[in-house]
Amino acid sequence: DIQMTQSPSSLSASVGDRITITCRASQGIGNYLAWFQQRPGKAPKSLIYGASSLQSGVPSKFSGSGSGTDFTLTINNLQPEDFATYYCQHYKSYPLTFGGGTKVEIK
Amino acid sequence: EVQLVESGGGLVQPGGSLRLSCAASGFTFSDHYMDWVRQAPGKGLEWVGRIRRKANGYTTEYAASVKGRFTVSRDDSNNSLHLQMNSLKIEDTAVYYCARGDSSGGSWYSGAYWGQGTLVTVSS
Repeated sequence: DIQMTQSPSSLSASVGDRITITCRASQGIGNYLAWFQQRPGKAPKSLIYGASSLQSGVPSKFSGSGSGTDFTLTINNLQPEDFATYYCQHYKSYPLTFGGGTKVEIK
Repeated sequence: EVQLVESGGGLVQPGGSLRLSCAASGFTFSDHYMDWVRQAPGKGLEWVGRIRRKANGYTTEYAASVKGRFTVSRDDSNNSLHLQMNSLKIEDTAVYYCARGDSSGGSWYSGAYWGQGTLVTVSS
């Protein structure tokens, strides 16, 4: 199975900041990577697929990059609604697996 | 508007069974793979299983943790997805989400759209 490791597991940031979250795959997955946002008590929301393609309706402040084993999610101009937990997921092969999540908190 | 609405969750004893359903609307259900994803209380997301569309033989895939106990099925005539859960364990306690699969680069990713989830509690 392919393991997905996210870092950091949590971070504190201020409104207006730019943050970067990293996701590493235990083996190469090409660009078969998606990113999700989950606010407390809510269902996850798709942000990025294909490592860098923005899901329809998602603001351009979110961006993804990477290929192979190393990926990043960048969020520019952090706003109160962006404080949430973010997950990566590979879909290269079965089983699909998620990273452990990165909780973004207000500093 | 794409909508996915799960139902069927509840309290069940260890060893028991439960059947979850997901009603889909707002898109051509039969064109899409469909997934189940769960989240134990206070924990991260865990992919549970997938069913492909008719063109791909309605074949299924499962996480090792549920293989042999859970069965994913679909009814394209009623735009519905199901998860039959047997031999339930305490560690199956979670919110269960259905998610629509979408094609990208020759593969299918899950979660372009999600339901609101249904809580399954396995306890004696």
